[in-house]
Amino acid sequence: GQQVMQIPQYQHVQEGEDFTTYCNSSTTLSNIQWYKQRPGGHPVFLIQLVKSGEVKKQKRLTFQFGEAKKNSSLHITATQTTDVGTYFCAGQEGAQKLVFGQGTRLTINP
Amino acid sequence: GAVVSQHPSWVICKSGTSVKIECRSLDFQATTMFWYRQFPKQSLMLMATSNEGSKATYEQGVEKDKFLINHASLTLSTLTVTSAHPEDSSFYICSAESGNGGDEQFFGPGTRLTVL
Repeated sequence: GQQVMQIPQYQHVQEGEDFTTYCNSSTTLSNIQWYKQRPGGHPVFLIQLVKSGEVKKQKRLTFQFGEAKKNSSLHITATQTTDVGTYFCAGQEGAQKLVFGQGTRLTINP
Repeated sequence: GAVVSQHPSWVICKSGTSVKIECRSLDFQATTMFWYRQFPKQSLMLMATSNEGSKATYEQGVEKDKFLINHASLTLSTLTVTSAHPEDSSFYICSAESGNGGDEQFFGPGTRLTVL
């Protein structure tokens, strides 16, 4: 079945440093979604990517969808303490269920 | 818009009792809702897909007689953990698709279940 792998599992950075998490699917996806879960909270939808090679930006966050639609990345520029949390990618193949990656937990040293 | 509520937010119960968790879409109709389970510091594991007016679709390895799902209306799905045991202790989260044609899911705040 479809698998979604996400790396790294943990990332600790100094405030102001950049952060990137990578997501790889075993199958070609129709779309990929990114969610953020704050400590003690629930996942919150960030963005959905649909097109091959798509790049979307949300302020300091840049999301990319690979040309083959099997990988994606989330890059945060100049991290802030409010960026702390776990970032999940979730891939969907056609009308199949959403499959979540393992998540990358970001901690920040102020 | 697209707000999902969940009740209760936490529950502590004795082993052998049953616990019902409600998931409501507050400002939209959700034909389909999803139930996830999340262990500490781990990813979300889809347990079942709840369809309004029909039987839920359970993921492999999830006991349907243990985790009863009822999707009675377009705004309410319930998950009942029957004869709960300590190993059922977990964070249970529901979600619903927005209903506006998008694929994104909106999550409830989750229910922390602790079985003593």
